[in-house]
Amino acid sequence: GAVVSQHPSWVICKSGTSVKIECRSLDFQATTMFWYRQFPKQSLMLMATSNEGSKATYEQGVEKDKFLINHASLTLSTLTVTSAHPEDSSFYICSATSGESSYNEQFFGPGTRLTVL
Amino acid sequence: GQNIDQPTEMTATEGAIVQINCTYQTSGFNGLFWYQQHAGEAPTFLSYNVLDGLEEKGRFSSFLSRSKGYSYLLLKELQMKDSASYLCAAMDSNYQLIWGAGTKLIIKP
Repeated sequence: GAVVSQHPSWVICKSGTSVKIECRSLDFQATTMFWYRQFPKQSLMLMATSNEGSKATYEQGVEKDKFLINHASLTLSTLTVTSAHPEDSSFYICSATSGESSYNEQFFGPGTRLTVL
Repeated sequence: GQNIDQPTEMTATEGAIVQINCTYQTSGFNGLFWYQQHAGEAPTFLSYNVLDGLEEKGRFSSFLSRSKGYSYLLLKELQMKDSASYLCAAMDSNYQLIWGAGTKLIIKP
C-alpha cells in the first residue's frame, strides 16, 4: 500500500517551454502533497506544500508564478515548470501523506529528472 | 534557526557495522525520520523515532535522544546494496520535515 507515482520519469525540453509533472497517489487519498527539488549531491529542498482544493504554500525563494502547482483531487497534484531554463534542470520528487499514519509519514514518488537544453 | 547535521560521507566494509549520526535543532519536535536514497532514485522510508530509545528493524536500528537533539542509524551485516545516501529528517511543530544533506555510505568488499 501507499504507492505514489510520477509521470514522466524523465523529460528533456528546450529552453522557454513549459513542462508538466504529475504526481498520483495510487492506493490512498493524499490529504497533503509535497514537491521537492534535488540537485546532484545535495539534499531534498522543499518547494511547496499543497492540500487538495486549496492554493499551494510555497517555500521562501520559490517563484509561485514559475512553478505552478495544482492539487485538483485527493489523488493528483501537478507541478508545471513554466518557461523552463537550464538552471531549472533538476530531479523533482513529490511525496504525499494520507493523514492516516500516526506520524505523518511521507510516501515518495520515483522522481522526475528534468533536463532543459 | 532549524538545522540538521550529519556526516557527508562514510566508508565501511561488507559484513561490518556502521553508525550514522545526526544532530538536529528544530522549532518544536514531532519525530525523527531516516530515509535511504539510492543514486537517481527517490527516498524510501527506513525508520521513525519520537520517543527516546532504540528501535530495531532487522539489520537496521535507529536511536533517539530528545534531550540531546541526537539520533543515529545503525546498519549491521552490511551488504553491497546498502551503498546509498542516508537522509536524516526532523519533523518540526508544524509537521514539516527539515532535511539533512544526507550521508553517502560507501561499502567496500
